[in-house]
Amino acid sequence: DIQMTQSPSSLSASVGDRVTITCRASHTITNYLNWYQQKPGKAPKLLIYAASSLQSGVPSRFSGSGSGTDFTLTISSLQPEDFATYYCQQSYSTPITFGQGTRLESK
Amino acid sequence: QLQLQESGPGLVKPSETLSLTCTVSGGSINSSSYYWGWIRQPPGKGLEWIGTIYYSGSTYYNPSLKSRVTISVDTSKNQFSLKLTSVTAADTAVYYCARDKGYCSGGSCYPYFFDYWGQGTLVTVSS
Repeated sequence: DIQMTQSPSSLSASVGDRVTITCRASHTITNYLNWYQQKPGKAPKLLIYAASSLQSGVPSRFSGSGSGTDFTLTISSLQPEDFATYYCQQSYSTPITFGQGTRLESK
Repeated sequence: QLQLQESGPGLVKPSETLSLTCTVSGGSINSSSYYWGWIRQPPGKGLEWIGTIYYSGSTYYNPSLKSRVTISVDTSKNQFSLKLTSVTAADTAVYYCARDKGYCSGGSCYPYFFDYWGQGTLVTVSS
């Protein structure tokens, strides 16, 4: 199985901050990397697919980059509604696997 | 607007079978462009992929659960279902159904990313 490791596991930031979350795969996954946002009690929401493609309806302050084994999710200017947990997910090979999550909290 | 809704018992006894159904509305489960998947999340923990099915019936399962999992599709009802046998407390989780935008390469198609999700349903395994 491909292991996905996110860092940091938790992060405190303020509205307006630029935030970066990292995801590392245990084997190369080319660009088969997706990012989700999950708020408490809600289903995950797709933000980014194929490492850098913005899902329809997702604000442009979210961006993704990377290829191979190292990927990043960046929020250019943090908004109040962005405090949530973020997960990366690889679809290069089955079983599909997720990172352990990064909890983004208000400082 | 596509919507997915999970349904099924919220409480299952240990060693019994967990059965859930996902009803798709606002779109057809018969689409050749999409797969349909199940993902679960134990309370306070991360996401675990259970498996994915194509409308034709072809499936992908997580090997960690494969011996206990069956995912099926009923195109006449626009539904797909999950059965998980011999459950234990470790199977207690919120179970989500989701649409999977599969991709095809080299003549085969594979799960890709989940773009629409149900709201999730908590299943507790307890006597």
